[in-house]
Amino acid sequence: NAGVTQTPKFQVLKTGQSMTLQCAQDMNHEYMSWYRQDPGMGLRLIHYSVGAGITDQGEVPNGYNVSRSTTEDFPLRLLSAAPSQTSVYFCASSQGRVEAGELFFGEGSRLTVL
Amino acid sequence: EDKVVQSPLSLVVHEGDTVTLNCSYEVTNFRSLLWYKQEKKAPTFLFMLTSSGIEKKSGRLSSILDKKELFSILNITATQTGDSAVYLCARRPSGTYKYIFGTGTRLKVLA
Repeated sequence: NAGVTQTPKFQVLKTGQSMTLQCAQDMNHEYMSWYRQDPGMGLRLIHYSVGAGITDQGEVPNGYNVSRSTTEDFPLRLLSAAPSQTSVYFCASSQGRVEAGELFFGEGSRLTVL
Repeated sequence: EDKVVQSPLSLVVHEGDTVTLNCSYEVTNFRSLLWYKQEKKAPTFLFMLTSSGIEKKSGRLSSILDKKELFSILNITATQTGDSAVYLCARRPSGTYKYIFGTGTRLKVLA
C-alpha cells in the first residue's frame, strides 16, 4: 500500500539544467497536484490534474510543465532550473474531482538549484 | 483575493496546556476546509469540515467551522511534545479544483 510516491527525494541542479520530478499514486485517484513549500510561504499550488489528459495551472506555474498520460503518474518538469526554484516539492492526490476530499501527500522532494 | 490566513504564526506552550489555532478566509463560496499536521515530512490529514457549527473530534484534537464568520479553529487539549509541528489549513472554494493553503502555525510544546 504505497500511497503517493515521489522520486527523487533530494536533487541538486545547476542553473539552466532540466529535470523531472516523478509522482505516482496507486489509489486510483482522479485528482493529482504539485505544490512547492518555501519558508514562511505555506504550500503553493503549481499545477494540477483532474484526470488523464487534463491539466491546469495553479498559483505559481511559471517554469514548470506537467502532463498526465495515465491515472497513476503526474510528473513535474523543470525546463531550465533557476535558483528561485530551490524548494521542497510535494505531490498530492485526492479521490475525486467533484468531491472536495482529503489530499494524500507524498514524502516530498527537496530541490536545490545552484 | 482568495487567501487563507492562519494565526498565530508560531506558538510555544508547555505540556498540558490547551491551544487554539485559527484559520480565516475571505471569500464566501465554499466546498471544504481541511486541517493538516506537518512534522518533518509530508502533511498528514487531521480533519475535513464542510458544515458550519459541527465539531469534528479525534482524541485531544477538535475542530469547528463558522461559515458565517469565515473561520475555523483547531483545538488541542492537554498538549504533548509530540504535538510539536506546523499546522496547516486549506480551503477548497466551490467551482474550482484548487486547494488554497495558509502559511501555517508552528507549534512547539515544551516538556
